[in-house]
Parts: sequence; C-alpha cells; structure tokens
Amino acid sequence: GAGVSQTPSNKVTEKGKYVELRCDPISGHTALYWYRQSLGQGPEFLIYFQGTGAADDSGLPNDRFFAVRPEGSVSTLKIQRTERGDSAVYLCASSLRGRPGLAGGETQYFGPGTRLLVL
Amino acid sequence: QKEVEQNSGPLSVPEGAIASLNCTYSDRGSQSFFWYRQYSGKSPELIMSIYSNGDKEDGRFTAQLNKASQYVSLLIRDSQPSDSATYLCAVTPFTGGFKTIFGAGTRLFVKA
Repeated sequence: GAGVSQTPSNKVTEKGKYVELRCDPISGHTALYWYRQSLGQGPEFLIYFQGTGAADDSGLPNDRFFAVRPEGSVSTLKIQRTERGDSAVYLCASSLRGRPGLAGGETQYFGPGTRLLVL
Repeated sequence: QKEVEQNSGPLSVPEGAIASLNCTYSDRGSQSFFWYRQYSGKSPELIMSIYSNGDKEDGRFTAQLNKASQYVSLLIRDSQPSDSATYLCAVTPFTGGFKTIFGAGTRLFVKA
C-alpha cells in the first residue's frame, strides 16, 4: 500500500515569507507526527496528532509554527515569517495507534521529508 | 545532559564482523525504545523496537535493553556493506506524552 507522502519535496523561500508543508499519512493511521531534522542531528519532535487534535505540541519552537489536521488524515505544517534558522528537512510520520507500549501500534512510518531552505 | 545520547562515530567495522551501537537515555521512566536506520538523504526506517529488559533478536539484529542502567544497544551480526548508514536511537519518555526523542545517531561504515 501507499506510504506516507509529503509535498513539496523541496521548498526554497525568502526570509519573512509564509510556507505550508503537507503530509498525507498512511490510510487508517490515527497518529501523526511532525519532526524536523538538521544536518548531523536526529529528528527533533515538533507536534503529535491523535485524530484531529494536537495531543502534544510541546516541540513547536515558537508561535510562528502551527499545524492542523482538520479531518484526521492530511496534516499541514505552517510556518510564518520564516527565518534562515528554519532551514531543515521536515519529516512527517504516521502510526496505527500511537499508544506507547502497545507493540506495533506505535511503529512510526516516515515520509520522504520536505527540504526547506530559507534564503 | 541530552535526553538520548549516542556516540556520533563513525564506527567502522569489516564485513562479516559484529557492529555494536550504544545509546543512553536520561528519563528513567521511559517506556519504549527504538532503533532506526537512516541512509544518507533518506528518511528513517524502523529496524527494531524493544519494551522490556533483556534481548530481542530479529534476523541479524539484536536489541538489548537495561532499564536500571538506562542503556539500550543494537548488535548487527555478519555486518554487510549495505548496513552502512546512520543508526538512530529513539525513546518515548514516561513524562513526555507521546513524543519520541531521537539521539543524534551513530554513523556506521562496513568495509568490504
């Protein structure tokens, strides 16, 4: 079946602009995660959705970052007034249930990522 | 102290040898532990998950968990050049809701 997809694959923008990054999770997966990864680092947690609600947004770095998942499937990560420090690969992952300790339920499947470059 | 720590490497092993990758974590109440493999320019893919103390084997891979020492490791037997990648340790902290914390990864090179 289809995996997690993300669009665009690459995005170049200018400092101060607004960007939207889209994630299409695996069909039937209720949990969705956003991460960002800088060169030489592991993925950094941003936000977790269970269904339509953001169950944990503690990783969003500031109020310029916002994410939605209005119908419990596709999610959009929105970044306002982009800064050069926002340049990174933004990864989306989905899992079947997202409940810790439930074997297999929380296996996260990652999309290919969106490479964001802020000039 | 970082929440999840790994030696950045690179770790270089000859083909056919055992590669040993280590990870420590700071949240003693952490519940779930994962090893992901990430090839250069690609996204992470899960290779092992472990939830209780002891060893868990899957093919050439063995994950080991010691919650008392807050330590998790990954052994790769009969290493192949195709195993050359960055290996990411990830932990779901007890106090962290549903977030997953990743280490910075260890780069592994398997020499043919």
